Amino acid sequence: TQLLEQSPQFLSIQEGENLTVYCNSSSVFSSLQWYRQEPGEGPVLLVTVVTGGEVKKLKRLTFQFGDARKDSSLHITAAQPGDTGLYLCAGEGGNNRLAFGKGNQVVVIP
Amino acid sequence: GAGVSQSPSNKVTEKGKDVELRCDPISGHTALYWYRQSLGQGLEFLIYFQGNSAPDKSGLPSDRFSAERTGGSVSTLTIQRTQQEDSAVYLCASSPVYGYTFGSGTRLTVV
Repeated sequence: TQLLEQSPQFLSIQEGENLTVYCNSSSVFSSLQWYRQEPGEGPVLLVTVVTGGEVKKLKRLTFQFGDARKDSSLHITAAQPGDTGLYLCAGEGGNNRLAFGKGNQVVVIP
Repeated sequence: GAGVSQSPSNKVTEKGKDVELRCDPISGHTALYWYRQSLGQGLEFLIYFQGNSAPDKSGLPSDRFSAERTGGSVSTLTIQRTQQEDSAVYLCASSPVYGYTFGSGTRLTVV
């Protein structure tokens, strides 16, 4: 079983602050994806990282894939209320399915 | 359609009844996945289809759960003799290669 641990589980910050959330595993993944989920909706894909050490930027969001392809981080700069949501990381381990973490619940207070 | 469509969006059923959940994937996506999301839990893998074949059914919780896919398109997930522990949001996703596109899910409540 490939387990992904996400931390912190819950994070509440003021608008304009920066935040970083983490996704860690003892397993190696061929790719890792980050999704954001809002209440009543399915998760929406934000980014896929494939190469160890890879850094991808999506506007104010920066995603990093660890060198060993076992962990990842998501950094949000100058958070906005629209960034509020459940951030899920998911790893593909070669068995044609994604293993998901439990998520980082982020609340940005206006 | 442009996205993955799931129906019904909400379903309340009595314990012991059978339910059928439907997923319409994005046209041309050969891979289709069913996951279950319970409160405070991550997404739990149920089953994966490649075309009409299900090479991986290992996530189905019990023999009360079954799924099929026809024409490489629509999929149905059937739960027989529902139990209260089956209450969850059932999510369907389709995929070309990388990245899943999820539907909005079916919220199943067993009373």
